[in-house]
Amino acid sequence: GNSVTQMEGPVTLSEEAFLTINCTYTATGYPSLFWYVQYPGEGLQLLLKATKADDKGSNKGFEATYRKETTSFHLEKGSVQVSDSAVYFCALSDQAGTALIFGKGTTLSVSS
Amino acid sequence: NAGVTQTPKFQVLKTGQSMTLQCAQDMNHEYMSWYRQDPGMGLRLIHYSVGAGITDQGEVPNGYNVSRSTTEDFPLRLLSAAPSQTSVYFCASSSLGAGGPKDEQFFGPGTRLTVL
Repeated sequence: GNSVTQMEGPVTLSEEAFLTINCTYTATGYPSLFWYVQYPGEGLQLLLKATKADDKGSNKGFEATYRKETTSFHLEKGSVQVSDSAVYFCALSDQAGTALIFGKGTTLSVSS
Repeated sequence: NAGVTQTPKFQVLKTGQSMTLQCAQDMNHEYMSWYRQDPGMGLRLIHYSVGAGITDQGEVPNGYNVSRSTTEDFPLRLLSAAPSQTSVYFCASSSLGAGGPKDEQFFGPGTRLTVL
């Protein structure tokens, strides 16, 4: 079945450090891929998405590239800020399009 | 635009009690869904609906009922609460595309439920 695996957290970085959060997936067909972010005490918000192979999603300095050959969608940011501290979820839409399938989430903590 | 709203924000129940978690959206979205979030488990789909009068089960539907009488509202009912249902519950909505919900789902702020 479809599944998403993302790196275990927590990830602890200093401000301005480079961020990578790994995400790999298993799916039939060509799912759309997403990164959602959850700030403390809030619901999830879409951060970025990619709908086909080699697409790059980007938003707020974050980016991720849909790599079909490695079934990956790693999240990167060149210089993190304290305000980026949150839980990040990688997700894919299933073939039927009825649901999002989420990874377990990765907690990012950025200190100044 | 309030987006997706959920009530209550917090709830404590005793085992065996019933309750309804409310979810409403004002974006005229056809698709609505309920997820539960547990530590180390990510979000798991409970039930979803593609329009008024149409509901279907997700990954973890046992112990929960839903109905969709209007486009705006999608309540989640716990018939007889169990400690295993202690979780944070999120409602989400999106518009529908040709193959299903469009890419971006909008999430409510969540309901934190504790069952003693």
